[in-house]
Amino acid sequence: KQEVTQIPAALSVPEGENLVLNCSFTDSAIYNLQWFRQDPGKGLTSLLLIQSSQREQTSGRLNASLDKSSGRSTLYIAASQPGDSATYLCALSGSARQLTFGSGTQLTVLP
Amino acid sequence: DGGITQSPKYLFRKEGQNVTLSCEQNLNHDAMYWYRQDPGQGLRLIYYSQIVNDFQKGDIAEGYSVSREKKESFPLTVTSAQKNPTAFYLCASSMSGKNQPQHFGDGTRLSIL
Repeated sequence: KQEVTQIPAALSVPEGENLVLNCSFTDSAIYNLQWFRQDPGKGLTSLLLIQSSQREQTSGRLNASLDKSSGRSTLYIAASQPGDSATYLCALSGSARQLTFGSGTQLTVLP
Repeated sequence: DGGITQSPKYLFRKEGQNVTLSCEQNLNHDAMYWYRQDPGQGLRLIYYSQIVNDFQKGDIAEGYSVSREKKESFPLTVTSAQKNPTAFYLCASSMSGKNQPQHFGDGTRLSIL
């Protein structure tokens, strides 16, 4: 059964810093990996989707990488802003087309 | 605007009562999903449906039921058999196909009176 781990559970950085969020998984037989953002009391917003055959995806200040051989993905946020403060979740899609989620990293960007 | 609408935003359930959470989408998506989120945890899949009139159990289906009579609607009933229903419930939808992103509603927070 797929297990997804996100460490650290919480991260606090000063504004302007570049940062990396980590996601590790146990089963490399995946279709894709998604990174989501969740604001308090809200639903999830899809940030990036990396297909199994891809190594990375970029959107604005965000860059996500995927290394299936090591069971790891990273989300890089450049020049962080207070508006980036949220919980970031990674999720993997496998043969059952279901998403398996990590427990998230709560990011706080201090002004 | 296209999107997913969940209602109500907050819901309270009395002991022994069934309650139904609504999820409607106008994205013309084939697949719909229900997740449960507990504090500090990721999402766990309750039920999903790839097509009208068909649905499958997820990892934590016990105490829940769903129907998919229309493409746009996927209501979730939390039955009295669900002993710990207090949670944040999220509905999602996607196009069919293995690399289609899931899009989420704003959730319903269910509490026990």
